[in-house]
Amino acid sequence: GDSVTQMEGPVTLSEEAFLTINCTYTATGYPSLFWYVQYPGEGLQLLLKATKADDKGSNKGFEATYRKETTSFHLEKGSVQVSDSAVYFCALTLNTNAGKSTFGDGTTLTVKP
Amino acid sequence: DAGVIQSPRHEVTEMGQEVTLRCKPISGHDYLFWYRQTMMRGLELLIYFNNNVPIDDSGMPEDRFSAKMPNASFSTLKIQPSEPRDSAVYFCASSTSKTGFPYNEQFFGPGTRLTVL
Repeated sequence: GDSVTQMEGPVTLSEEAFLTINCTYTATGYPSLFWYVQYPGEGLQLLLKATKADDKGSNKGFEATYRKETTSFHLEKGSVQVSDSAVYFCALTLNTNAGKSTFGDGTTLTVKP
Repeated sequence: DAGVIQSPRHEVTEMGQEVTLRCKPISGHDYLFWYRQTMMRGLELLIYFNNNVPIDDSGMPEDRFSAKMPNASFSTLKIQPSEPRDSAVYFCASSTSKTGFPYNEQFFGPGTRLTVL
């Protein structure tokens, strides 16, 4: 079946460090890919998305590139801030899934001043 | 737009009591999802609807759980009787397919934190 695998957390970084959170997927079709972020006490919200191979999604300094050849969608940010501390979820949606998304387990990021 | 609205935000109840969680999706969205989030199990999809019709309820843990969507602007998730292991944060989310594939993202509500004593 379809699945999303994220790097295990938690991840702890110092402010201004470089961030990478790995995400790989398995899908029977051609998915759209998403990164969601969940801040403490809140619901998930979309961070960025990509809908076809080689697309780059970007938002708030975060980027991820849809790599079909490696079935990956790694999240990166060049310089993290304390305010980026949150849980990050990678997800995919297939047109055969009638709108349902498959989520990864989430990666907790803590940024220290 | 007000976003997805959930009520109550917090619910504390005693074991054996009935609990009803409520959700109002974003106007015009045709998909509605119910999730449960716990530290142990992460984010779990319980059930989802398309145009008010349940499509997949395979994630509903037991017969104690039921969900309804009587119209496009309202859904409920009911637990009866509740048990301590039902303690979790329950999220409602909605999305639209009206722009065609690729599907747009899901919009999550703020969640209901349920504690069953």
